[in-house]
Amino acid sequence: GENVEQHPSTLSVQEGDSAVIKCTYSDSASNYFPWYKQELGKRPQLIIDIRSNVGEKKDQRIAVTLNKTAKHFSLHITETQPEDSAVYFCAASWDYNKLIFGAGTRLAVHP
Amino acid sequence: EADIYQTPRYLVIGTGKKITLECSQTMGHDKMYWYQQDPGMELHLIHYSYGVNSTEKGDLSSESTVSRIRTEHFPLTLESARPSHTSQYLCASSEWGSGGSYNEQFFGPGTRLTVL
Repeated sequence: GENVEQHPSTLSVQEGDSAVIKCTYSDSASNYFPWYKQELGKRPQLIIDIRSNVGEKKDQRIAVTLNKTAKHFSLHITETQPEDSAVYFCAASWDYNKLIFGAGTRLAVHP
Repeated sequence: EADIYQTPRYLVIGTGKKITLECSQTMGHDKMYWYQQDPGMELHLIHYSYGVNSTEKGDLSSESTVSRIRTEHFPLTLESARPSHTSQYLCASSEWGSGGSYNEQFFGPGTRLTVL
């Protein structure tokens, strides 16, 4: 079955710096890759997603890149702010139903 | 307001008790999911449903069972709770995408279960 590995598990940056979180997946049939943000005590919320027919997608300060050949995708956050502090989860799916999540990255943005 | 609701939000019970975690959504979604998550840790899919009378097991083996008698309701039941069931349980839903495409999963606030 699908397996998703996520790195790093924790990331600490200064406000204004960039943050990059990387994920690799095992099933070459996977074709949907969302990223969720979970603030402390809150529910996960989708922040950006990418489909396998696209190499990069941007939404203001966040972007996701996908390398299908290498089977990895990354989340890039620029100009980080304290409110970006949260746990970020990547996920992959090869059907239209099940998401397999990575283990999460705890991002801390220090003022 | 369209949302996903979970009750109870917190539950502390003794070993051997039967419990049902409730999940309801007013978003009109056909697909619903149950995830198990230790706080801040990985989300593990334990059950999902495509619609009424459809239920499937997820990737993480679970002793819980689910039912889907109504579109908006997807309860999860543990017949005999054990300390190993202590965790957070998150319900989610999504709609069918056109042409079989993906759609965002929306999560409920979760139920934090502690089994003594």
